Amino acid sequence: EPEVTQTPSHQVTQMGQEVILRCVPISNHLYFYWYRQILGQKVEFLVSFYNNEISEKSEIFDDQFSVERPDGSNFTLKIRSTKLEDSAMYFCASSQGTSGGTWETQYFGPGTRLLVL
Amino acid sequence: ILNVEQSPQSLHVQEGDSTNFTCSFPSSNFYALHWYRWETAKSPEALFVMTLNGDEKKKGRISATLNTKEGYSYLYIKGSQPEDSATYLCAWSGGGADGLTFGKGTHLIIQP
Repeated sequence: EPEVTQTPSHQVTQMGQEVILRCVPISNHLYFYWYRQILGQKVEFLVSFYNNEISEKSEIFDDQFSVERPDGSNFTLKIRSTKLEDSAMYFCASSQGTSGGTWETQYFGPGTRLLVL
Repeated sequence: ILNVEQSPQSLHVQEGDSTNFTCSFPSSNFYALHWYRWETAKSPEALFVMTLNGDEKKKGRISATLNTKEGYSYLYIKGSQPEDSATYLCAWSGGGADGLTFGKGTHLIIQP
């Protein structure tokens, strides 16, 4: 069964460093998403991406964050200058995109656990 | 601020028993309610997407109901097995937004 994959599974970085989290969505899906979960808190939406541009972003997704689809398979989240509070599990998800993001199942990857020291 | 709440936060159930838990969500601007099953170190697994008031969905021993007028959904597990141990997340989508708004989850432990 097709699945969303993410690399790396864990990443440790120093405050102020840039990190890039990578995702390979399900191949025929058109909508891509990033979410995060800070330990002990709810999973929170960061951004959605469709047709090579950001479709929607939350208040969390400030200028420190960017997303890119550099080729036909990868979808990346870049954090420019990491802060301690960026430590979280970051999930990538994708959906078919035939009826927009709202009614469709979003398929999640296993997450990347980011620790900022 | 959209509030999606799940109860209880955690639940211990004997193997073989049936159980259920709740997700409450805003009833205005409702589009869909999603249920996920999440085991540690694995991807959250999509269980159901429900859109219509009165919807009832079933997948094996797991079923879910939806009441959009009062803003709640129940997830039922019949004859719990150890492999049902996981965190069950519900997520609301609405208002035309792409992003899902999640509850904190119900952590279910099945005791043999």
